[in-house]
Amino acid sequence: EAGVTQSPTHLIKTRGQQATLRCSPISGHTSVYWYQQALGLGLQFLLWYDEGEERNRGNFPPRFSGRQFPNYSSELNVNALELEDSALYLCASSFQGGSAGNTIYFGEGSWLTVV
Amino acid sequence: KQEVTQIPAALSVPEGENLVLNCSFTDSAIYNLQWFRQDPGKGLTSLLLIQSSQREQTSGRLNASLDKSSGRSTLYIAASQPGDSATYLCAVTGSARQLTFGSGTQLTVLP
Repeated sequence: EAGVTQSPTHLIKTRGQQATLRCSPISGHTSVYWYQQALGLGLQFLLWYDEGEERNRGNFPPRFSGRQFPNYSSELNVNALELEDSALYLCASSFQGGSAGNTIYFGEGSWLTVV
Repeated sequence: KQEVTQIPAALSVPEGENLVLNCSFTDSAIYNLQWFRQDPGKGLTSLLLIQSSQREQTSGRLNASLDKSSGRSTLYIAASQPGDSATYLCAVTGSARQLTFGSGTQLTVLP
């Protein structure tokens, strides 16, 4: 069974541009989570989507946005890129986001470099 | 605001040694606690999930305990191997299903 898949693996963008990252959850999982892992800052929660709706977002500016499609895949958009947005962006999925007891599975991440 | 602390930040042990990694959290109102492993430049691999009502979970050479009232968890690794070298992260699930991570323990097992 395929795990959580993310694309692209690496992305280089110029400051001020927009970046789009994609995530496919494990088959049957309805919840998708996005996390940012910047150097020296640890893992920070970005967004949670379940059944196509945004359920929660972390303490990030509005230029970080996303959506979840009917097939439960998800997209993270980062507008007006800043140098400090350079990080590993991790997507995760789980069964039934409304149930807190489920294991969360992570993908391999997308490396975003802003120059 | 939930805060998760992991001690030590780094640990180096010889192969075969048993070791304990520590995790503490400030808000005991959690749904569960997960331990993850992260290899350099890679994503996270889930190791163990302990529900808030449980005291421990075991998987192979790994055993994780949870004391919710005191806000502590430990990950015990038996008979460590060089392949266990990685960063180990603990995370708690709080309200709105948000995971709060510790900063991790970087483990090196020397052959």
